[in-house]
Order: sequence, then C-alpha cells, then structure tokens
Amino acid sequence: QVQLQESGPGLVKPSQTLSLTCAVSGGSISSGGYYWTWVRQHPGKGLEWIGSIFYTGFAYYNPSLNSGLTISLDTSKSQFALSLPSVTAADTAVYFCARVALDNARWNWGQGTLVIVSS
Amino acid sequence: QVALTQSPSASASLGASVKLTCTLSSGHSSNAIGWHQQRPDKGPRFLMKVDSDGSHTKGDGIPDRFSGSSSGAERYLTISSLQSEDEADYYCQTWGSDFWVFGGGTKLTVL
Repeated sequence: QVQLQESGPGLVKPSQTLSLTCAVSGGSISSGGYYWTWVRQHPGKGLEWIGSIFYTGFAYYNPSLNSGLTISLDTSKSQFALSLPSVTAADTAVYFCARVALDNARWNWGQGTLVIVSS
Repeated sequence: QVALTQSPSASASLGASVKLTCTLSSGHSSNAIGWHQQRPDKGPRFLMKVDSDGSHTKGDGIPDRFSGSSSGAERYLTISSLQSEDEADYYCQTWGSDFWVFGGGTKLTVL
C-alpha cells in the first residue's frame, strides 16, 4: 500500500522560497504509470492543482500560479519536491502531495501540511 | 480550458440517498472526472473515476453505497444509505493533456 508524507517548514517569510518534500513508501517513484502531484487548499477553500511530474522528469504546472515554481523528483530518496519562490500571504495553504494513475482512475493522497506565509 | 461546476451545498437525512452533480463546461461533455471526499480536518480521499458513458472505477475500499453515473455534461455521485461519516466536502476533478482542474466542491450535510 503506497503512502505519501509531506514535510517542510510550517512558517515561511514573505518573498522567501517555500520548499516541501513528499516521501513515498510502498511504491517505486521511478516506475512509469503515475503522475506525482502537488495540490493545495487555502484556508476554508477548495482544492487547487499546483503541478505534476512524470517519472521521466517532465513536469506540468498550473499556469495561473507563480511562474517560478518547480517540481522535481529524487529517485534515490524516493521523494519528490515542490519549490515555490517569492511567496506571499496568498500562498498560505495546506499543501497535499498525491500519486495519480495515468488514467486518473486512482489517486493516493498524503495527509497534507500547513504552510503559513508570515513575517 | 475546461471548468467544473458544483453546487456549494447539499443535505439529506441519515439513511437516505443523495445525488451530487458536477457539470462540465461547454465543449467538454466527453471528459471523464474523478470524485474525492474530504472529511472535516482530513486530507482528500479518492472515491472513483466516472467516464462519459457512466461507467465508474472505484478506489480501494470504497463502499458499494457510493456509485457514479453520467448524463451529457453532468457527472453524478450517488451515496445511498447515508451515514454520519459521509458528512464531508466532495470535489470533482478532470484533466487534460497537461493540466488538472477541480470543481469548487459540495458540502454535504447529513441531517
């Protein structure tokens, strides 16, 4: 049974870079068949897709978000990462990682981590 | 780009059935969607994928009380024999070749 666990600082200062990692256990991050995905949820709001990366390293990003955001894979550590530069208070949210099957017929979610952007 | 519309709220009585609707924007009526449940203060849980022909593929451990269907641009999630733990937010989502998008969610209250 695959499990995903987000980790990272719970507090980030404005204009700094938000960096989160998602540790994957119970499944190989380097095999095909899945998109490794980040989703966020602003307080009291709905879900927002941030971006997804394929095992080849090719990534897709939400065009409405910070153009500098990047998602990367670290197969040696079985984890993938989110980097969101120049954050503002509007980036305060719970961040979830997920494994999404290529046909979207299966999603496995992490439990989420709250990130607050504040000085 | 495709958009998904959900009613903000719904309610039904304990033991009854409820049908939640997700509407695809114009020109995207052939899209499949996924349904996700989010209980209060919890992370989302994948329920099922619903195809345009009404067929659905459920996630691991999802009870038979949950089912999906389709009609035109509408995708449905039906929950029968409602239980208190079904009180949650329900989100639909769809995808394209290089993007994913979520609906605004429906808050289901079990009376």
